[in-house]
Amino acid sequence: DTGVSQDPRHKITKRGQNVTFRCDPISEHNRLYWYRQTLGQGPEFLTYFQNEAQLEKSRLLSDRFSAERPKGSFSTLEIQRTEQGDSAMYLCASSLISGFNEQFFGPGTRLTVL
Amino acid sequence: QQQVKQSPQSLIVQKGGISIINCAYENTAFDYFPWYQQFPGKGPALLIAIRPDVSEKKEGRFTISFNKSAKQFSLHIMDSQPGDSATYFCAATQGGSEKLVFGKGTKLTVNP
Repeated sequence: DTGVSQDPRHKITKRGQNVTFRCDPISEHNRLYWYRQTLGQGPEFLTYFQNEAQLEKSRLLSDRFSAERPKGSFSTLEIQRTEQGDSAMYLCASSLISGFNEQFFGPGTRLTVL
Repeated sequence: QQQVKQSPQSLIVQKGGISIINCAYENTAFDYFPWYQQFPGKGPALLIAIRPDVSEKKEGRFTISFNKSAKQFSLHIMDSQPGDSATYFCAATQGGSEKLVFGKGTKLTVNP
């Protein structure tokens, strides 16, 4: 499968714990995005990388959230001191640098904070 | 402030019918308008997209109509099939910012 992959697919954690998600983009895609989707809503942008540089961050990305893309390939999204309001689907997407912003999404990681 | 407003929230269509989903936007700097299809438990899949220099784009049974002056665009699904039952999202983005701004989605049900 050459699409975007995410791991884990599901994560259940207790409030206050830290969690980390991984995203592997389509190979050769130099842009990588993180979105969050809650039930009944469209995805909301969190942040994006061009190669290893984090170029834009949403105000939704509080200090408890951090994302990295150390070698310009896979990316990780960490949430520290999780809260119940963090429960959502976390989606990763990737694209090529081109005139068309075609973003291809992975299957997502569903986070449940108890 | 919701930058992309999508309607209807849900839609029921008979097999073979036409499904129409509408979106409106305020930001005139938006220059790329994709539609995504999402099945339960899956990530959104890019369906079709348009730029504002054309008024219509067709790919198979899917057509985007774009009205720049009205700041509206719509998705038409011709000959709707039960397999088209999913949630559809319109989105927009502007040059200089790569983030997609999504509508709230339309849950389409195509009855056999």
